[in-house]
Amino acid sequence: EADIYQTPRYLVIGTGKKITLECSQTMGHDKMYWYQQDPGMELHLIHYSYGVNSTEKGDLSSESTVSRIRTEHFPLTLESARPSHTSQYLCASSAWADRGGFYEKLFFGSGTQLSVL
Amino acid sequence: KQEVTQIPAALSVPEGENLVLNCSFTDSAIYNLQWFRQDPGKGLTSLLLIQSSQREQTSGRLNASLDKSSGRSTLYIAASQPGDSATYLCASSGGTSYGKLTFGQGTILTVHP
Repeated sequence: EADIYQTPRYLVIGTGKKITLECSQTMGHDKMYWYQQDPGMELHLIHYSYGVNSTEKGDLSSESTVSRIRTEHFPLTLESARPSHTSQYLCASSAWADRGGFYEKLFFGSGTQLSVL
Repeated sequence: KQEVTQIPAALSVPEGENLVLNCSFTDSAIYNLQWFRQDPGKGLTSLLLIQSSQREQTSGRLNASLDKSSGRSTLYIAASQPGDSATYLCASSGGTSYGKLTFGQGTILTVHP
């Protein structure tokens, strides 16, 4: 099983603040993802990375940015937080496997619940 | 664009009952389909993964099936327990969203003693 950690667990901040949500995994997974989930709604992919120095935007447009300087670390940054950014942010990682067909299993962190006042 | 739909949105059953959760997807060109469990305020735990070449997967009291031709997957939970209460999410990978997951909205399951 993968170990994937997110900090902080909860964050309450004021409008206009710059914040960074941390995500680290210890299994050497190449692929990492950030998902956003509003209460009672489905998860939406906002960023993903296929490896070091690789970052792509996901299906849902987001004002956040990400970086992937090290394999194990995939932080998400909001330069100027707004109340519309209030949501749960979930980080995940996965490993490639090919058993006669592509196989990708995701492992999720516990999430960061962000509240912007 | 892949769309994933789950029904019912919520389900409440007495302990011991067998139940089925349904998931449908619009793009049958998937690489795999996963079922996750989410507890309130927490991340997701992967329950079962079915590759596109497979028809079903089993883990303990859980059995997931996949019918690509009809765009459907089901999660069967046998002998439900109060500890099974959680939100169950299905997600597909592949097709036009290769390498990324598209999630359904989930089914909120409550198992009462």
